[in-house]
Amino acid sequence: SAVISQKPSRDICQRGTSLTIQCQVDSQVTMMFWYRQQPGQSLTLIATANQGSEATYESGFVIDKFPISRPNLTFSTLTVSNMSPEDSSIYLCSVEDPSRPYEQYFGPGTRLTVT
Amino acid sequence: AQRVTQPEKLLSVFKGAPVELKCNYSYSGSPELFWYVQYSRQRLQLLLRHISRESIKGFTADLNKGETSFHLKKPFAQEEDSAMYYCALTNAGNMLTFGGGTRLMVKP
Repeated sequence: SAVISQKPSRDICQRGTSLTIQCQVDSQVTMMFWYRQQPGQSLTLIATANQGSEATYESGFVIDKFPISRPNLTFSTLTVSNMSPEDSSIYLCSVEDPSRPYEQYFGPGTRLTVT
Repeated sequence: AQRVTQPEKLLSVFKGAPVELKCNYSYSGSPELFWYVQYSRQRLQLLLRHISRESIKGFTADLNKGETSFHLKKPFAQEEDSAMYYCALTNAGNMLTFGGGTRLMVKP
């Protein structure tokens, strides 16, 4: 299974600023995903990031607020822009196992608090 | 639209008792269904998927298309089973839709 790391593991940010979260995988993967888990809630998919193409955003999420980069097959970033307290969440990246379609492995998450 | 419902936010049982975590889904196509688990201070991890028909850590789950359910069962709960359990569904586009999660507490 893929090993996924995320940086930072947590951060406290001020309203109006931006934070970039990094996701690194130890093997090449085609599909990477970014999720949000708001306090006491389940996981919601933000976008799918494929290398060499623009990210595909889910309903309710827009590129201006959550720009994503996918420069290669082992790395992706998610930026949370112009943050407000409502953006306080855990942000997780995941990858699909190339040898087992539809199975996803998750990173440890980034806990973001916006004050 | 696809939707996953886990009706119980919390399920508390005693060690050795049977466990059933309920999951119902709505999806117009042929779903791929999963159970993910998150133990305390650990990352979310795949427990099992319906297509593999495996038993993992004593847990099984059967897809019932007639009832659109994918309940997770274990005949004898252990304290180490205490965790957050998420039922999830995916379509051909690889998008995972998660249920709200059920916290399982196994008391000694």
